[in-house]
Amino acid sequence: DAGVTQSPTHLIKTRGQQVTLRCSPKSGHDTVSWYQQALGQGPQFIFQYYEEEERQRGNFPDRFSGHQFPNYSSELNVNALLLGDSALYLCASSFRERAFFGQGTRLTVV
Amino acid sequence: QKEVEQNSGPLSVPEGAIASLNCTYSDRGSQSFFWYRQYSGKSPELIMFIYSNGDKEDGRFTAQLNKASQYVSLLIRDSQPSDSATYLCAVYNFNKFYFGSGTKLNVKP
Repeated sequence: DAGVTQSPTHLIKTRGQQVTLRCSPKSGHDTVSWYQQALGQGPQFIFQYYEEEERQRGNFPDRFSGHQFPNYSSELNVNALLLGDSALYLCASSFRERAFFGQGTRLTVV
Repeated sequence: QKEVEQNSGPLSVPEGAIASLNCTYSDRGSQSFFWYRQYSGKSPELIMFIYSNGDKEDGRFTAQLNKASQYVSLLIRDSQPSDSATYLCAVYNFNKFYFGSGTKLNVKP
């Protein structure tokens, strides 16, 4: 049983570019949440997808958008990258309250 | 005021000692509490969850919850160098997790 998988694991982008991160949830999990973790901080909630719709959203600008596919996998898109977007991006899949994290994507914006 | 507050540490304990990690939360209606362990450069790993007041034990780990004081703690008995990591406290409200900034634990051989 595969756990939560994210791709890519590392990414370097230039300021102003766009990036797409991908997540495949744990088998049996129908909810995918995305978090941003800056260095030395706890993960911050970006948004959550359930049944292919954004169920709720944290305090992030519209440059952050996402999608969930019928197989429950999900994408996080960030447009017009800023240096401050450099962080570890975590995908968490959950069934009810039990959330499990993928290994994360380390995004560096230069 | 942050939803979840933790002392950033580092907390240093000798090998074999008990490590005590603490967390407070602001929403009195919170019902579900979680502890995650995060090694440097890795993603958080679920250690324990607790819903009811009192203690919950799992191996060397004990989670303690006091809803009246809005306080959650994690005790690690017989601490090992491999326990050295950042421990994140999380509260589950409104279908999402609120995380503290984590406490860094160093277990010295």
